[in-house]
Amino acid sequence: DTGVSQDPRHKITKRGQNVTFRCDPISEHNRLYWYRQTLGQGPEFLTYFQNEAQLEKSRLLSDRFSAERPKGSFSTLEIQRTEQGDSAMYLCASSLGEIDYGYTFGSGTRLTVV
Amino acid sequence: AQSVTQLDSQVPVFEEAPVELRCNYSSSVSVYLFWYVQYPNQGLQLLLKYLSGSTLVKGINGFEAEFNKSQTSFHLRKPSVHISDTAEYFCAVCPNNNAGNMLTFGGGTRLMVKP
Repeated sequence: DTGVSQDPRHKITKRGQNVTFRCDPISEHNRLYWYRQTLGQGPEFLTYFQNEAQLEKSRLLSDRFSAERPKGSFSTLEIQRTEQGDSAMYLCASSLGEIDYGYTFGSGTRLTVV
Repeated sequence: AQSVTQLDSQVPVFEEAPVELRCNYSSSVSVYLFWYVQYPNQGLQLLLKYLSGSTLVKGINGFEAEFNKSQTSFHLRKPSVHISDTAEYFCAVCPNNNAGNMLTFGGGTRLMVKP
């Protein structure tokens, strides 16, 4: 198992464009999380899935953001009509569910909106 | 709601010297506590966690942390640092009544080890 994979590693987009990121979790992990990390800050929770069900969304997740995990495996995070304030590192993590096991984080997708 | 404060944004230290990275938290319920390390252009790696039991927890790479409930602190320590410890360190909490196990992170402390 190669851990949590995120694609792309870097994305530069013009303001107003739509972008989509992909996360492939560890195969046996049933939980998948998305966090956002702006420069010089700690990660902030965005949303999480238990299998294919999206169980919680942060208030940070505006209407322009949507996340899916259609078959309970990989997940996508889409941002519509990007704004400069969306520039950040988007981190995906997966877990077995019990807090004892902790999370495994991916390397992130760095989004730059110009 | 929970909040985490990492009092030092940067900590410079010489190689082989001891280091302490401070973390204080605020929560109305009991929490689990974590320290993560982030190397440049990489994701976060778990260093150690406190779930219950002994308040002194040992982690990877020679790090340890002590949970102090009365002071709501979870400071990270290492007796002798190496150049390779240069990284960003994040303290995080998770309320123990949170079914989703979402983490609240502090702002991070950049540890800079100098030769």
